[in-house]
This record gives sequence, structure tokens and C-alpha cells, in this order.
Amino acid sequence: ETGVTQSPTHLIKTRGQQVTLRCSSQSGHNTVSWYQQALGQGPQFIFQYYREEENGRGNFPPRFSGLQFPNYSSELNVNALELDDSALYLCASSLVGTLTGELFFGEGSRLTVL
Amino acid sequence: GQQLNQSPQSMFIQEGEDVSMNCTSSSIFNTWLWYKQDPGEGPVLLIALYKAGELTSNGRLTAQFGITRKDSFLNISASIPSDVGIYFCAGQGRDDKIIFGKGTRLHILP
Repeated sequence: ETGVTQSPTHLIKTRGQQVTLRCSSQSGHNTVSWYQQALGQGPQFIFQYYREEENGRGNFPPRFSGLQFPNYSSELNVNALELDDSALYLCASSLVGTLTGELFFGEGSRLTVL
Repeated sequence: GQQLNQSPQSMFIQEGEDVSMNCTSSSIFNTWLWYKQDPGEGPVLLIALYKAGELTSNGRLTAQFGITRKDSFLNISASIPSDVGIYFCAGQGRDDKIIFGKGTRLHILP
């Protein structure tokens, strides 16, 4: 186990709704990254949070937003859900400033949009 | 943007065989990472590579960071049933963001 926990593990929403996914990072890690993994694909980088601010963003529209809290936990919010948003959303924590840059992933939140 | 090309897309092998997969990019990376993902779980780090030319082993797994810094390979020796899964390469560039390939799906025939 990596120590990264995500909730909920599964959820179903309908088009146009909003969703919030939550992530608790591994103890001692100050950076959280969010990835979207569509079925049969590799994880796609959404954004990263460090010191409670967005620290880099992938090719995702503004309706994907996030927060990081003082305890380094994080939320991913998606507004106006579309069918193509159905995917596994992975949170990964890491320690910025170290050589490794290694990511430690949670088990993901599987979102289905109907 | 940066993209990783991972091959093969899938492999079907017999137990005991050796496996080789690779990853190439048009961009230079400072770090190459290899992850394995089992069904219903997040990816787990197998090997991290930090220097061009570096060759690193982790048990039956061996990975190399290409000299050009644009490629990496992963070898698995004497495969066993628990090796089944999806293997992802990932690269970390100067912007510190880590991007992933599309994965190699390893199947082991009975």
C-alpha cells in the first residue's frame, strides 16, 4: 500500500452534474497530482498542486479544477460532466524538491457518467 | 506536447519466457520511471532511472535509461503468472511533470 487514499471508490453521475473527488496524500508528501485514465489508456496528467496552488496543468478544460489543503490533501472538482469524463481518476502524491520525482498512487475513483 | 510511444501494445508469452518492452519519446527526459498496474488498482513504481545510460535491476526486472535520454527499456526475466498486468513507462521532464505511455499489456499463457 502507498498510503494514498481516495474517495469515493466508485460513483455514477449524469451529464451536466458536478463531482468532487478526494485524496489524502502519503505522510510527508507535499505535492499531489491528478490523472485521468480512460479505459485501455495510460494515465493523462490533469494538474498538480504544491503549497495549495496549482503547479502545472495538462490539456484539460477549466471545468476541471482542484484544491489542496494545508494538510496536503486535495480535491478534484469537475463541473458540467460529459460522457467522455467517464474514467478512473488517480491521485498521486510525491515530495517535490527531491531527486526521485516518484509518484505514489491511490487506487483511484471510478467515475461513470450516464 | 510531450508524448511517449510505448511498445508493444500487448504481449502473449509462455510462463518462464523473458519479456522486453520499450518506450521512446521525441523529447528529452531527466527521469524515466516504470510502473505496473493490476486490475482495480493504481500504478505501482517498479524502477526509477535518473541518469543517461543507467542500468538498474529490481529482482527479475532490469531497466535502462537510454543514452539519448529519449528512450528506455524494461526487461523481465523468467516470467511468472503474477507478472500479468499493464506496464507503463513514464518520463519526467524539466517542468517536473510526469507523463505516461499507453502501456504494454502482458498476458501469460497457461
